[in-house]
Amino acid sequence: EPEVTQTPSHQVTQMGQEVILRCVPISNHLYFYWYRQILGQKVEFLVSFYNNEISEKSEIFDDQFSVERPDGSNFTLKIRSTKLEDSAMYFCASSEPGGETQYFGPGTRLLVL
Amino acid sequence: AQTVTQSQPEMSVQEAETVTLSCTYDTSESNYYLFWYKQPPSRQMILVIRQEAYKQQNATENRFSVNFQKAAKSFSLKISDSQLGDTAMYFCASRAPDFGNEKLTFGTGTRLTIIP
Repeated sequence: EPEVTQTPSHQVTQMGQEVILRCVPISNHLYFYWYRQILGQKVEFLVSFYNNEISEKSEIFDDQFSVERPDGSNFTLKIRSTKLEDSAMYFCASSEPGGETQYFGPGTRLLVL
Repeated sequence: AQTVTQSQPEMSVQEAETVTLSCTYDTSESNYYLFWYKQPPSRQMILVIRQEAYKQQNATENRFSVNFQKAAKSFSLKISDSQLGDTAMYFCASRAPDFGNEKLTFGTGTRLTIIP
């Protein structure tokens, strides 16, 4: 069964460093999403992406964040200058055209020191 | 804007028993989708069941079923014959159907423990 994959599974970085989180959505899906979950809290929406542009973003998704689909398979989230409060689990999700269900990847655990 | 509320932070039940997790939501949309996701200790988010608001029939997936009360804006999850593998965090979520507004809004979750 096709699934969303994410790399790396864990990332430790120093405050102020740039990180890129990678996702490979399910192959026939056209809608892509990033969510984050700070430890012990609920999952929060960051951004949705369709047709090579952002379709919606939350107030969390400020200028430090960017997303890109650099080729036909990868979908990336870049944090330009990480802060301590960026430490969280980051989930990628995708959905098919006209599909209401989002399928999640296993997440990347980001720790900013 | 949509909000989702889960009022039970933790629940536990004996293996093979039935358990019901509560969820209420608020939305101004006339149509929307509701979901239950499971997050086991591995922390992957796994879809358990989904419900389309315009469908009156409650969704069922094997041992999992929902009680969808649209007027009361209630969407509870019933797990029958609970198994040890059901131990996880369960999140209720909603989304609007519109393009450009597909984000999922999650509740705070219910930690379910199945006791052997």
